Amino acid sequence: GQQLNQSPQSMFIQEGEDVSMNCTSSSIFNTWLWYKQDPGEGPVLLIALYKAGELTSNGRLTAQFGITRKDSFLNISASIPSDVGIYFCAGLINNNDMRFGAGTRLTVKP
Amino acid sequence: KAGVTQTPRYLIKTRGQQVTLSCSPISGHRSVSWYQQTPGQGLQFLFEYFSETQRNKGNFPGRFSGRQFSNSRSEMNVSTLELGDSALYLCASSWDRGRSEQYFGPGTRLTVT
Repeated sequence: GQQLNQSPQSMFIQEGEDVSMNCTSSSIFNTWLWYKQDPGEGPVLLIALYKAGELTSNGRLTAQFGITRKDSFLNISASIPSDVGIYFCAGLINNNDMRFGAGTRLTVKP
Repeated sequence: KAGVTQTPRYLIKTRGQQVTLSCSPISGHRSVSWYQQTPGQGLQFLFEYFSETQRNKGNFPGRFSGRQFSNSRSEMNVSTLELGDSALYLCASSWDRGRSEQYFGPGTRLTVT
């Protein structure tokens, strides 16, 4: 269940702005995953992170695996209207223990 | 490569009925996990199947069950439906055991009336 603290809960930004969101926990994770979910659809995997300190990009998206292994960050640069959706973080403590954030709802105003 | 497919996409049932949902994983993926998503509880893990065996189970009552076939396709069943079972049921597949790099299907929207 939801045992990751994801913030912010929602964001209203202007097209072209950059976006930052993060997930934190008191537990140590081996893997961090970031997903985007559109209404009525399943989450789509955006970025997977496997090592502390790892910084990985996927187009305008960049995510980092925190050094303490207890947090992760997602940045979106130069937002566009199709970035609208809910972004979820997920952390794996081990292969059998996966936890999700509550999601960040992103609204982009043209 | 085709993604994860789930059928049906939408379903309306009445309390007390039972329902079966189907999931076909990405070709070559052997692990299938099921999740329930609701606005109040978010994503809740139901169970994971690998090689036709349930490997992990979340904290759901016995009314929720599943199985996996030799071709890795999976079904989940909910018996004696309750209003609170209304949710988006998501299936996710991955190549191996565990849930790293899971790819989700579009979900089945179940409404119980």
